[in-house]
Amino acid sequence: ETGVTQTPRHLVMGMTNKKSLKCEQHLGHNAMYWYKQSAKKPLELMFVYNFKEQTENNSVPSRFSPECPNSSHLFLHLHTLQPEDSALYLCASSHRFPGQGDFSGANVLTFGAGSRLTVL
Amino acid sequence: AQSVAQPEDQVNVAEGNPLTVKCTYSVSGNPYLFWYVQYPNRGLQFLLKYITGDNLVKGSYGFEAEFNKSQTSFHLKKPSALVSDSALYFCAVRETNAGKSTFGDGTTLTVKP
Repeated sequence: ETGVTQTPRHLVMGMTNKKSLKCEQHLGHNAMYWYKQSAKKPLELMFVYNFKEQTENNSVPSRFSPECPNSSHLFLHLHTLQPEDSALYLCASSHRFPGQGDFSGANVLTFGAGSRLTVL
Repeated sequence: AQSVAQPEDQVNVAEGNPLTVKCTYSVSGNPYLFWYVQYPNRGLQFLLKYITGDNLVKGSYGFEAEFNKSQTSFHLKKPSALVSDSALYFCAVRETNAGKSTFGDGTTLTVKP
Protein backbone atom coordinates (compact mmCIF):
# COMPACT_ATOMS: atom_id res chain seq x y z
CA GLU A 1 0.00 0.00 0.00
CA THR A 2 1.26 3.43 -0.95
CA GLY A 3 -0.89 5.44 1.44
CA VAL A 4 -3.19 6.55 -1.38
CA THR A 5 -6.35 4.45 -1.61
CA GLN A 6 -8.71 4.48 -4.54
CA THR A 7 -12.19 2.98 -4.70
CA PRO A 8 -13.69 1.29 -6.53
CA ARG A 9 -10.84 -0.56 -8.25
CA HIS A 10 -13.11 -1.51 -11.14
CA LEU A 11 -16.24 0.21 -12.41
CA VAL A 12 -18.49 -0.59 -15.36
CA MET A 13 -21.11 1.97 -16.22
CA GLY A 14 -23.50 2.87 -18.97
CA MET A 15 -23.40 6.20 -20.73
CA THR A 16 -26.42 7.50 -18.81
CA ASN A 17 -25.21 6.48 -15.36
CA LYS A 18 -23.84 8.71 -12.63
CA LYS A 19 -21.02 7.34 -10.53
CA SER A 20 -18.10 8.62 -8.46
CA LEU A 21 -14.51 7.64 -7.95
CA LYS A 22 -13.00 8.18 -4.51
CA CYS A 23 -9.43 8.81 -3.45
CA GLU A 24 -8.13 9.03 0.10
CA GLN A 25 -4.63 9.70 1.37
CA HIS A 26 -3.21 9.47 4.88
CA LEU A 27 0.19 10.92 4.13
CA GLY A 28 -0.44 14.46 5.32
CA HIS A 29 -0.09 15.74 1.77
CA ASN A 30 -1.71 19.00 0.69
CA ALA A 31 -1.95 18.49 -3.07
CA MET A 32 -4.06 15.87 -4.83
CA TYR A 33 -4.31 15.02 -8.52
CA TRP A 34 -6.42 13.09 -11.00
CA TYR A 35 -4.66 11.51 -13.97
CA LYS A 36 -6.14 9.57 -16.88
CA GLN A 37 -4.16 6.66 -18.30
CA SER A 38 -5.44 5.27 -21.60
CA ALA A 39 -3.92 2.51 -23.66
CA LYS A 40 -1.26 3.81 -26.06
CA LYS A 41 -1.63 7.40 -24.82
CA PRO A 42 0.52 9.48 -22.51
CA LEU A 43 -0.47 10.00 -18.92
CA GLU A 44 -2.91 12.94 -18.87
CA LEU A 45 -3.16 15.31 -15.95
CA MET A 46 -6.83 16.18 -15.42
CA PHE A 47 -7.15 18.17 -12.20
CA VAL A 48 -4.97 19.44 -9.38
CA TYR A 49 -6.10 20.55 -5.94
CA ASN A 50 -3.69 22.37 -3.66
CA PHE A 51 -4.86 22.96 -0.08
CA LYS A 52 -8.41 22.09 -1.27
CA GLU A 53 -8.35 24.72 -4.01
CA GLN A 54 -8.42 23.68 -7.64
CA THR A 55 -5.28 24.95 -9.33
CA GLU A 56 -5.34 23.02 -12.61
CA ASN A 57 -8.08 21.97 -14.99
CA ASN A 58 -6.55 20.76 -18.21
CA SER A 59 -9.55 21.34 -20.49
CA VAL A 60 -11.37 18.35 -19.09
CA PRO A 61 -14.95 17.86 -20.37
CA SER A 62 -17.66 18.89 -17.92
CA ARG A 63 -18.91 15.30 -17.68
CA PHE A 64 -15.99 14.89 -15.25
CA SER A 65 -16.54 16.87 -12.08
CA PRO A 66 -13.93 16.87 -9.29
CA GLU A 67 -14.59 17.54 -5.64
CA CYS A 68 -12.07 18.04 -2.85
CA PRO A 69 -13.81 18.47 0.51
CA ASN A 70 -10.54 18.38 2.46
CA SER A 71 -6.85 17.73 1.87
CA SER A 72 -7.26 13.99 2.46
CA HIS A 73 -10.13 13.22 0.11
CA LEU A 74 -10.67 13.69 -3.59
CA PHE A 75 -13.62 12.61 -5.70
CA LEU A 76 -14.24 12.42 -9.41
CA HIS A 77 -17.93 12.53 -10.25
CA LEU A 78 -18.86 10.96 -13.56
CA HIS A 79 -22.01 11.48 -15.63
CA THR A 80 -23.05 10.87 -19.22
CA LEU A 81 -19.66 9.46 -20.11
CA GLN A 82 -18.61 8.23 -23.52
CA PRO A 83 -16.98 4.89 -24.39
CA GLU A 84 -13.72 6.73 -25.13
CA ASP A 85 -13.62 7.73 -21.46
CA SER A 86 -12.81 4.13 -20.59
CA ALA A 87 -9.39 4.21 -18.96
CA LEU A 88 -7.45 3.78 -15.75
CA TYR A 89 -7.98 6.81 -13.53
CA LEU A 90 -5.12 7.43 -11.17
CA CYS A 91 -5.18 9.57 -8.09
CA ALA A 92 -1.93 10.98 -6.72
CA SER A 93 -0.84 13.23 -3.89
CA SER A 94 2.24 15.27 -2.99
CA HIS A 95 3.36 17.50 -0.14
CA ARG A 96 2.22 20.48 -2.14
CA PHE A 97 1.78 21.69 -5.69
CA PRO A 98 4.85 23.76 -6.40
CA GLY A 99 4.21 27.36 -7.25
CA GLN A 100 6.25 29.58 -9.45
CA GLY A 101 9.71 30.03 -8.08
CA ASP A 102 9.50 26.89 -5.95
CA PHE A 103 12.93 25.35 -6.13
CA SER A 104 12.45 22.63 -3.57
CA GLY A 105 11.79 19.87 -6.06
CA ALA A 106 9.57 18.32 -3.45
CA ASN A 107 6.85 17.38 -5.90
CA VAL A 108 7.31 13.61 -5.73
CA LEU A 109 3.95 12.06 -6.50
CA THR A 110 2.49 9.13 -4.59
CA PHE A 111 -0.06 7.28 -6.69
CA GLY A 112 -2.98 5.09 -5.82
CA ALA A 113 -3.54 1.77 -7.58
CA GLY A 114 -6.12 3.30 -9.89
CA SER A 115 -9.77 2.81 -10.77
CA ARG A 116 -10.32 0.89 -14.01
CA LEU A 117 -13.38 2.45 -15.68
CA THR A 118 -15.28 0.82 -18.53
CA VAL A 119 -18.05 2.79 -20.21
CA LEU A 120 -20.46 0.70 -22.24
CA ALA B 1 7.55 24.65 -22.30
CA GLN B 2 8.78 21.36 -20.92
CA SER B 3 8.73 17.99 -22.62
CA VAL B 4 10.18 14.53 -22.17
CA ALA B 5 10.80 11.72 -24.62
CA GLN B 6 11.27 8.03 -24.09
CA PRO B 7 12.45 6.85 -27.50
CA GLU B 8 11.89 3.14 -26.92
CA ASP B 9 8.43 1.66 -26.45
CA GLN B 10 9.96 -1.68 -25.46
CA VAL B 11 13.26 -2.83 -23.97
CA ASN B 12 14.11 -6.52 -23.68
CA VAL B 13 17.03 -7.82 -21.64
CA ALA B 14 18.12 -11.15 -20.25
CA GLU B 15 18.19 -11.67 -16.52
CA GLY B 16 21.57 -10.79 -15.06
CA ASN B 17 22.45 -8.40 -17.88
CA PRO B 18 22.66 -4.65 -17.41
CA LEU B 19 19.66 -2.62 -18.48
CA THR B 20 19.18 0.94 -19.71
CA VAL B 21 15.91 2.76 -20.24
CA LYS B 22 16.40 6.02 -22.10
CA CYS B 23 14.93 9.44 -21.39
CA THR B 24 15.64 12.84 -22.89
CA TYR B 25 14.06 16.09 -21.85
CA SER B 26 13.57 19.68 -22.91
CA VAL B 27 13.14 22.59 -20.53
CA SER B 28 13.87 26.29 -20.69
CA GLY B 29 15.51 26.38 -17.28
CA ASN B 30 16.90 23.86 -14.84
CA PRO B 31 15.10 20.52 -14.69
CA TYR B 32 13.88 18.33 -11.91
CA LEU B 33 13.82 14.77 -13.23
CA PHE B 34 12.00 11.70 -11.97
CA TRP B 35 11.60 8.02 -12.75
CA TYR B 36 8.47 6.09 -11.84
CA VAL B 37 7.64 2.40 -12.33
CA GLN B 38 4.23 0.85 -12.88
CA TYR B 39 3.60 -2.84 -12.28
CA PRO B 40 0.51 -4.50 -13.84
CA ASN B 41 -2.78 -3.35 -12.31
CA ARG B 42 -1.00 -0.89 -10.04
CA GLY B 43 -0.39 2.82 -9.89
CA LEU B 44 2.96 4.45 -10.52
CA GLN B 45 5.67 4.16 -7.87
CA PHE B 46 8.47 6.67 -7.40
CA LEU B 47 11.96 5.25 -8.10
CA LEU B 48 14.36 8.18 -7.95
CA LYS B 49 14.80 11.86 -8.69
CA TYR B 50 17.45 14.37 -9.68
CA ILE B 51 17.17 17.81 -8.13
CA THR B 52 20.73 19.09 -7.92
CA GLY B 53 24.18 17.90 -6.97
CA ASP B 54 25.75 14.60 -7.97
CA ASN B 55 24.81 13.64 -11.52
CA LEU B 56 24.49 9.96 -10.57
CA VAL B 57 21.36 9.34 -8.56
CA LYS B 58 20.64 6.09 -6.77
CA GLY B 59 17.11 4.93 -6.12
CA SER B 60 14.95 2.00 -5.09
CA TYR B 61 15.49 -1.64 -6.07
CA GLY B 62 19.09 -1.07 -7.19
CA PHE B 63 18.19 1.39 -9.95
CA GLU B 64 20.25 4.47 -10.71
CA ALA B 65 20.09 7.25 -13.25
CA GLU B 66 22.64 9.65 -14.65
CA PHE B 67 21.84 13.27 -15.33
CA ASN B 68 23.67 14.53 -18.42
CA LYS B 69 23.06 18.22 -18.97
CA SER B 70 24.90 18.48 -22.28
CA GLN B 71 22.90 15.61 -23.78
CA THR B 72 19.71 16.57 -21.90
CA SER B 73 19.32 12.97 -20.85
CA PHE B 74 18.39 11.10 -17.69
CA HIS B 75 18.75 7.41 -18.53
CA LEU B 76 17.68 4.77 -16.01
CA LYS B 77 20.15 1.96 -15.40
CA LYS B 78 20.63 -1.18 -13.39
CA PRO B 79 23.79 -3.32 -13.43
CA SER B 80 22.01 -6.68 -13.25
CA ALA B 81 18.38 -7.06 -14.29
CA LEU B 82 15.85 -9.26 -12.50
CA VAL B 83 12.74 -10.86 -13.96
CA SER B 84 10.79 -8.95 -11.31
CA ASP B 85 11.99 -5.65 -12.85
CA SER B 86 9.63 -6.27 -15.77
CA ALA B 87 7.22 -3.33 -15.73
CA LEU B 88 6.33 -0.03 -17.38
CA TYR B 89 8.78 2.79 -16.67
CA PHE B 90 7.97 6.50 -16.89
CA CYS B 91 10.36 9.41 -16.97
CA ALA B 92 9.05 12.81 -15.85
CA VAL B 93 10.41 16.34 -15.90
CA ARG B 94 9.49 19.54 -14.13
CA GLU B 95 11.01 22.95 -14.66
CA THR B 96 11.97 24.68 -11.45
CA ASN B 97 9.37 27.35 -12.17
CA ALA B 98 6.61 24.99 -13.21
CA GLY B 99 3.96 23.49 -11.00
CA LYS B 100 3.21 20.30 -12.84
CA SER B 101 5.36 17.47 -14.12
CA THR B 102 5.30 16.21 -17.68
CA PHE B 103 5.49 12.45 -18.15
CA GLY B 104 6.97 10.48 -21.03
CA ASP B 105 4.93 7.89 -22.89
CA GLY B 106 6.51 5.05 -20.94
CA THR B 107 8.84 2.19 -21.80
CA THR B 108 7.90 -1.44 -21.23
CA LEU B 109 10.84 -3.37 -19.81
CA THR B 110 10.78 -7.14 -20.17
CA VAL B 111 13.45 -9.19 -18.43
CA LYS B 112 13.60 -12.79 -19.59
CA PRO B 113 15.01 -15.63 -17.49
